[in-house]
Amino acid sequence: GENVEQHPSTLSVQEGDSAVIKCTYSDSASNYFPWYKQELGKRPQLIIDIRSNVGEKKDQRIAVTLNKTAKHFSLHITETQPEDSAVYFCAAADAGGSYIPTFGRGTSLIVHP
Amino acid sequence: DAEITQSPRHKIIETGRQVTLACHQTWNHNNMFWYRQDLGHGLRLIHYSYGVHDTNKGEVSDGYSVSRSNTEDLPLTLESAASSQTSVYFCASSGAGAYEQYFGPGTRLTVT
Repeated sequence: GENVEQHPSTLSVQEGDSAVIKCTYSDSASNYFPWYKQELGKRPQLIIDIRSNVGEKKDQRIAVTLNKTAKHFSLHITETQPEDSAVYFCAAADAGGSYIPTFGRGTSLIVHP
Repeated sequence: DAEITQSPRHKIIETGRQVTLACHQTWNHNNMFWYRQDLGHGLRLIHYSYGVHDTNKGEVSDGYSVSRSNTEDLPLTLESAASSQTSVYFCASSGAGAYEQYFGPGTRLTVT
């Protein structure tokens, strides 16, 4: 089955800095890569996703890049703000139609004012 | 507005007791999922369903069961709760042919 590794487990930055979270996956058939944000005590919520036919996708201060050859993808947050503090999960889902993502273990992002 | 709800939000039970966690969605989604979230483990899949009367085991299904009698509900039952099942449980749903999952607010279960 799919295995998703996520690094780092904790990331501490100053407000205004950039933050990068990296994930690798094992199944070359995976073609959908979502990122979820979970604020303390809240539910995970999808913030951005990318499909295998695209190398990069941006949404305001958030961007995701995908390297299918190397089987890794990354989340980039620019101009971080305290409200970006949360746990971020990456995931990978295969093209076989199961629609079940395999999640990474999460990265706790702390943005210091 | 369509939503996904879970109940109860918090529950404390004794070891060996049976408990059922409810999940209800009004998205009319075919796919429903149960995850448990533990520190250091992320979200691990317990059971999932692609439609009425369909259920499947996930990676951590031992000690849990589900049933799907209608589109809206996927209750999760712990037949004989163990302390190792203390966790936060999330229900999620997605539309047919869709990857994006919508999560419920979670249930914090403590087994003493």
